[in-house]
Amino acid sequence: SAVISQKPSRDICQRGTSLTIQCQVDSQVTMMFWYRQQPGQSLTLIATANQGSEATYESGFVIDKFPISRPNLTFSTLTVSNMSPEDSSIYLCSVESGQGARAQYFGPGTRLTVT
Amino acid sequence: GQNIDQPTEMTATEGAIVQINCTYQTSGFNGLFWYQQHAGEAPTFLSYNVLDGLEEKGRFSSFLSRSKGYSYLLLKELQMKDSASYLCAVKADSWGKLQFGAGTQVVVTP
Repeated sequence: SAVISQKPSRDICQRGTSLTIQCQVDSQVTMMFWYRQQPGQSLTLIATANQGSEATYESGFVIDKFPISRPNLTFSTLTVSNMSPEDSSIYLCSVESGQGARAQYFGPGTRLTVT
Repeated sequence: GQNIDQPTEMTATEGAIVQINCTYQTSGFNGLFWYQQHAGEAPTFLSYNVLDGLEEKGRFSSFLSRSKGYSYLLLKELQMKDSASYLCAVKADSWGKLQFGAGTQVVVTP
């Protein structure tokens, strides 16, 4: 299985500021995924990050609000820009692993609170 | 539209069996995942089904019927630590992105 770490694990931020979340994987992966889990809700995909190309965003998410970098095959960052209290969520990155991509693993998540 | 439906909550007694159903309607199908998520933690991968049938892994089993758009997760010999949310997720294309159901909160009572 893939081992994924995220930084920071949690943060409390002020409205209008930005936070960059880092995701590091212990093996090279083609695609990394960023999800959001709002309080009491299930997971929603924000975007898919491929190395060497622009991230692909899901409906309702835009690059200006959630810019993503993918500089190499083991690392990605997600920035939450111009934050508002509605951005308070857990942000998780995930990767596929295993032969035939039969598993997908999540990082420990970043718990963001915007005041 | 795309739908993934699962019950909101189930309660069962320690040592018993619980079956969590998941029905889905998605634009494509490239596999179904089950995850366990304890409060305040990230989801933990439990199982993956892409062909019809039953996959058994210890106390947990997962079943898939693609023609019916249906899966279930079976938890046997329930333990208190199995109290968690169980998430059904469908991979609708070959790129790996998952669509999640709302999750089923399983409460195990003594």
